[in-house]
Amino acid sequence: QSVLTQPPSMSAAPGQKVTISCSGSSSNIGDNFVSWYQQLPGTAPKLLIYDNTERPSDIPDRFSGSKSGTSASLAITGLQTGDEADYYCGTWDSSLNIGVLGGGTRVTVL
Amino acid sequence: QVQLVQSGAEVKKPGASVKLSCKTSGYTFTSYYVHWFRQAPGQGLEWLGEIRPWGGSTNYAEKFQGRITLTRDTSTTTVYMQLNSLDSEDTALYYCARDGSGTLHFWFDSWGQGTLVTVSS
Repeated sequence: QSVLTQPPSMSAAPGQKVTISCSGSSSNIGDNFVSWYQQLPGTAPKLLIYDNTERPSDIPDRFSGSKSGTSASLAITGLQTGDEADYYCGTWDSSLNIGVLGGGTRVTVL
Repeated sequence: QVQLVQSGAEVKKPGASVKLSCKTSGYTFTSYYVHWFRQAPGQGLEWLGEIRPWGGSTNYAEKFQGRITLTRDTSTTTVYMQLNSLDSEDTALYYCARDGSGTLHFWFDSWGQGTLVTVSS
């Protein structure tokens, strides 16, 4: 049972948009920055979004992050077959002093 | 460039301990937190703990309290993760990762390649 709640799976056609939600509480998402990761099969996770909305320089602007209150979202626009992967959100929990992650969302491109 | 290189695969019997290493390079070792994660076959990522290389203080996931120890060697810029009393549920791919923020913004821009730990009798 993950501390942060993500939908297990989402799917959309190429070129469409998916928005992955990540729900937490006041002591984690509500009080700290959220990051997002993409994990392709057999590889280590890759940083997509940090500090809620920031993108590393090598990440295309098709990926964007947002946060409101105790929830965060990752949007992927112009979906491509190469975007088929597992996506995870993460943050720090200030009350428990631990890192917390979502259970992951598998994105399928139809 | 920033690199984290982990030690090789391990096979352990139930009840044994394992100690994994994560050799870092390409940055100031004492300026960035290092965290450990694991991923059981077909499962999601799980956070294990973090260490602050400048002083060696740590935080661990409650689930592993008493069973996990993170240490560091500043002379070799290496972080270690020891997990005791292994059972089959500890079979997983273990990752170390650097928190790129230098604080606890909890974002990881560099990851080790992963170490597979198999626990089997």
